[in-house]
Amino acid sequence: NAGVTQTPKFQVLKTGQSMTLQCAQDMNHEYMSWYRQDPGMGLRLIHYSVGAGITDQGEVPNGYNVSRSTTEDFPLRLLSAAPSQTSVYFCASSYSGGTHEQYFGPGTRLTVT
Amino acid sequence: AQSVAQPEDQVNVAEGNPLTVKCTYSVSGNPYLFWYVQYPNRGLQFLLKYITGDNLVKGSYGFEAEFNKSQTSFHLKKPSALVSDSALYFCAVRPHVYNQGGKLIFGQGTELSVKP
Repeated sequence: NAGVTQTPKFQVLKTGQSMTLQCAQDMNHEYMSWYRQDPGMGLRLIHYSVGAGITDQGEVPNGYNVSRSTTEDFPLRLLSAAPSQTSVYFCASSYSGGTHEQYFGPGTRLTVT
Repeated sequence: AQSVAQPEDQVNVAEGNPLTVKCTYSVSGNPYLFWYVQYPNRGLQFLLKYITGDNLVKGSYGFEAEFNKSQTSFHLKKPSALVSDSALYFCAVRPHVYNQGGKLIFGQGTELSVKP
């Protein structure tokens, strides 16, 4: 299994540009989530999904959109990038029952100038 | 509001000494508690979890954690630290609520430095 994969690894955007961060998992996990990591703030939840077609907002959803058309994929869209969105973004997935722990991707480091 | 606190930004330990990384939480109901480790420029790796049962849980790489309900704490411990344990450690809680399984609340992280 590849686990949770994220692309790209690095990205530089100009203010106002849009882009999509890709996340995929091959473990047939129902739950998927997006977090951002900023120094001294831990990881903060942006959006999450409990299954295909179902998404909900986390702690810091503004400026981001998600959709979940398949179990495997959970892309994160930045609508109009701002310098405040400079961060490291992590995607995670987990089973709906049983062990509960989340599996994390390697992250995408995004810089907005 | 549900929250997790890691009161120490950094913990310094000599190799071979015991280590403790502290975590307290505030959540309604019975929590699911987790510890993750992050090595430089890597994603988070799962270390251990408390769901129910024995208050002392054992995890990967010789780490363990003790759940204390009265003190709402879930401190991470290891009897003998290694230099390779140096990393960023995160405590997290999952609300024990239907259909919130994709939602973890993280502490701010504690940088563990183990010196030879």
